[in-house]
Amino acid sequence: AQKVTQAQTEISVVEKEDVTLDCVYETRDTTYYLFWYKQPPSGELVFLIRRNSFDEQNEISGRYSWNFQKSTSSFNFTITASQVVDSAVYFCALRGSGGGADGLTFGKGTHLIIQP
Amino acid sequence: DGGITQSPKYLFRKEGQNVTLSCEQNLNHDAMYWYRQDPGQGLRLIYYSQIVNDFQKGDIAEGYSVSREKKESFPLTVTSAQKNPTAFYLCASSTTRSGPGGYTFGSGTRLTVV
Repeated sequence: AQKVTQAQTEISVVEKEDVTLDCVYETRDTTYYLFWYKQPPSGELVFLIRRNSFDEQNEISGRYSWNFQKSTSSFNFTITASQVVDSAVYFCALRGSGGGADGLTFGKGTHLIIQP
Repeated sequence: DGGITQSPKYLFRKEGQNVTLSCEQNLNHDAMYWYRQDPGQGLRLIYYSQIVNDFQKGDIAEGYSVSREKKESFPLTVTSAQKNPTAFYLCASSTTRSGPGGYTFGSGTRLTVV
């Protein structure tokens, strides 16, 4: 069975601070895919990143960066110089190697609050 | 533009009623999914379908039913057997081809029992 754990239920920081959202996963698949989604108050899920299990390179996209470490089964997400618009619920998700037909396994989400 | 359309955005149900949530996609994706979201619970899989006329139960299928008569459509019926239906429902689709298939989500339907 697959499992995704986001231990931080809620994080509150002041604008311009850096913040890291943790994600730990469990899977027996040797090939798998990890995702991060952002859910603003409007409710839709906004895709942020997809990472393959065989590609451990870290990724940076503007103020966002992701640290994938297979040794610790973690896929953490850092926002640098946070902004109020970053306030949202962030989900980490996992898909196994079955072609995606059985859907994504989501963590419970981290509610990020950026205070002005 | 391709995407997923969920309707209605808000839905109110009386006790004992069945209601149907609509989900339509024009992405030519093979697979479609229904997720339920409760506060603090993340998203949980209700049903999924890989091809037309076939669907599988997810983790919390009790009290729900689906159909997949067309590739583009995957409606979800919340039956009176679902004891706690108040939640946010998200529909998604994806390709089932091997490889890092992407998922597309609709904007959701918020169901409230009154």
